[in-house]
Amino acid sequence: EDQVTQSPEALRLQEGESSSLNCSYTVSGLRGLFWYRQDPGKGPEFLFTLYSAGEEKEKERLKATLTKKESFLHITAPKPEDSATYLCAVQADQAGTALIFGKGTTLSVSS
Amino acid sequence: GAVVSQHPSRVICKSGTSVKIECRSLDFQATTMFWYRQFPKQSLMLMATSNEGSKATYEQGVEKDKFLINHASLTLSTLTVTSAHPEDSSFYICSARMGGPMNYGYTFGSGTRLTVV
Repeated sequence: EDQVTQSPEALRLQEGESSSLNCSYTVSGLRGLFWYRQDPGKGPEFLFTLYSAGEEKEKERLKATLTKKESFLHITAPKPEDSATYLCAVQADQAGTALIFGKGTTLSVSS
Repeated sequence: GAVVSQHPSRVICKSGTSVKIECRSLDFQATTMFWYRQFPKQSLMLMATSNEGSKATYEQGVEKDKFLINHASLTLSTLTVTSAHPEDSSFYICSARMGGPMNYGYTFGSGTRLTVV
């Protein structure tokens, strides 16, 4: 069964304190791994798509990396406005075109 | 960039009534649209997948007679919750997929908070 597991469930950081979020996946065949940001009461906002192991993508303070078993979302020198829930999702061969989501990591950054 | 508009953002209805939620892709044609449901502090759970002009494919455990999905055009999909009950209260989110084989971007609507009283 295709599965996506994110850790930690919640993360509290001080402003400027860098850290990483983990997304481990078990899928029949990975077509793509997606990272989204979700603010309370809103829909997910697209951040990155990664397609193959070794791929990396960056956007401002965020950097996403991918291996054959997991993905990391590195947050460098976070700011309070980075506080949100970060969702990881995969598109797998057996799932058709739908995304399979993890439960997310809720990040809180305090000043 | 790609934008998906979802309405209404919040709706309160009485138990036993029906509610329609609209999902529109504003600047692209969505070959496939997805409907998700999200409970507090939980992940997005796929309810159904719909392709324009064909019947929706529902996930196991989702009642197709209760959650009616219509995908009449490449830019509009609707979800109707029929005979709503308090247990149907949730956050419903649509997503639209665009592009060819290697550009399958997924864009999400802003969600609809349904409260059944």
